[in-house]
Amino acid sequence: AQTVTQSQPEMSVQEAETVTLSCTYDTSESDYYLFWYKQPPSRQMILVIRQEAYKQQNATENRFSVNFQKAAKSFSLKISDSQLGDAAMYFCAYRSPLSNFGNEKLTFGTGTRLTIIP
Amino acid sequence: KAGVTQTPRYLIKTRGQQVTLSCSPISGHRSVSWYQQTPGQGLQFLFEYFSETQRNKGNFPGRFSGRQFSNSRSEMNVSTLELGDSALYLCASSLEAGSETQYFGPGTRLLVL
Repeated sequence: AQTVTQSQPEMSVQEAETVTLSCTYDTSESDYYLFWYKQPPSRQMILVIRQEAYKQQNATENRFSVNFQKAAKSFSLKISDSQLGDAAMYFCAYRSPLSNFGNEKLTFGTGTRLTIIP
Repeated sequence: KAGVTQTPRYLIKTRGQQVTLSCSPISGHRSVSWYQQTPGQGLQFLFEYFSETQRNKGNFPGRFSGRQFSNSRSEMNVSTLELGDSALYLCASSLEAGSETQYFGPGTRLLVL
C-alpha cells in the first residue's frame, strides 16, 4: 500500500517571502499522480497543483511550483511571494495510475498548517 | 461551471440514528468519491462510484454505504451512528472512473451526540 508523509505539522512564513512544504511517499508503482491540495478555514479542499510521475518537468501554477524527485520519492511544494490568502492546511496526496483498476483512490498525508505573518 | 455541491452542510445526530448525505458532482463528471476527515485519522477514503456501481471501497464497517444515481448524484448513508462517526465528510468528483484529478465539494460536517 502507498503511504504519504508530511513531516512538518506547522510552518510559517513572512508575507511576500518564499516557503517550501515537504512531502515524501512510498510506492512500488512506477507511474502515478501526485497532488497538493489546500484546505483553508472554510474546509473546502482546493486543488493547488498536480504532477504526473512520467513527466520529468516540474509542474508550476503561477506562484506555486513543485520539486519532484522521483528516485528519492519526494514531492515538495514551493510557494513564492506568499500572500495572506495562502494561509491554510496543505495536503500532499498520491493516486495510483489509471491502469490500477479499482485502486485509484487518493492517499493523503497528515497535512502542514501554513501561517502567513503580515 | 458549478462546482461539487454537498447537502446538508451541517448535521447533528444522536447515537443510534442514521444519516444520509448527498453529493452532486460537477456537470459532466461521472465518478464520485467520498472521504472522511477527522482530527485523529486524517483523510480516509470511503468509496468511489462510477456509472451507478461501486468501484472501490475503503476500510470502513458495513454501516457505511453509498449509492449513485443515473444522473451521477451520489448519496452516502451511515446507520447506527457512533460518536466516532463525527467528522467532515468530503465528496469529490472526477470526469471518468480513474481520472487523475478529483475536485472536492465543501463537505458535510456531522456531529454525533
